[in-house]
Amino acid sequence: EDKVVQSPLSLVVHEGDTVTLNCSYEVTNFRSLLWYKQEKKAPTFLFMLTSSGIEKKSGRLSSILDKKELFSILNITATQTGDSAIYLCAKESDSWGKLQFGAGTQVVVTP
Amino acid sequence: DGGITQSPKYLFRKEGQNVTLSCEQNLNHDAMYWYRQDPGQGLRLIYYSQIVNDFQKGDIAEGYSVSREKKESFPLTVTSAQKNPTAFYLCASSIGLATGDNTEAFFGQGTRLTVV
Repeated sequence: EDKVVQSPLSLVVHEGDTVTLNCSYEVTNFRSLLWYKQEKKAPTFLFMLTSSGIEKKSGRLSSILDKKELFSILNITATQTGDSAIYLCAKESDSWGKLQFGAGTQVVVTP
Repeated sequence: DGGITQSPKYLFRKEGQNVTLSCEQNLNHDAMYWYRQDPGQGLRLIYYSQIVNDFQKGDIAEGYSVSREKKESFPLTVTSAQKNPTAFYLCASSIGLATGDNTEAFFGQGTRLTVV
């Protein structure tokens, strides 16, 4: 079974801090790397990364992929309490959208 | 509104009973998935279907069954053979076979199953 490993498993930060989440994966059958945010129930899509070194941004969130070192990072700047969630990283292995998920990183942002 | 609907949101069953979780999508997606989420373990793939009348086992298929008689629907049955069925179940769909950056999966709101 392919492995996707996220770190840290959890962290607590203060509002305004910057957070960096890590995701490493195995190279077998790699098509893309995805990030999701899960607040209460349904994970919501954040980014899909297919090429190395190209940063994707959405507001205060950004993500980048390193296909040589087999990892991705998700950055959240100027964190807000609404950023509190579980952030899931997933590897897509084929062109059909089937995903292998990491365990997630629980982020808690305190006022 | 297009989306994925799972029902019910909460389900309680006695041990030894089969139970079926519903998943319906109106996104015209070819591919559908069932994941199970346990605390600290992320999402694990139970079954997936890439086309009507066809489905494949995922990583933890034992004790589960599915059907895909219609494109819109992908129900999951948790059978009495599943040793530890209490969990949060998420259904997802994606466009299916694609060559561009549009294969991300969209998720339903989940069903929390408790077996007592």
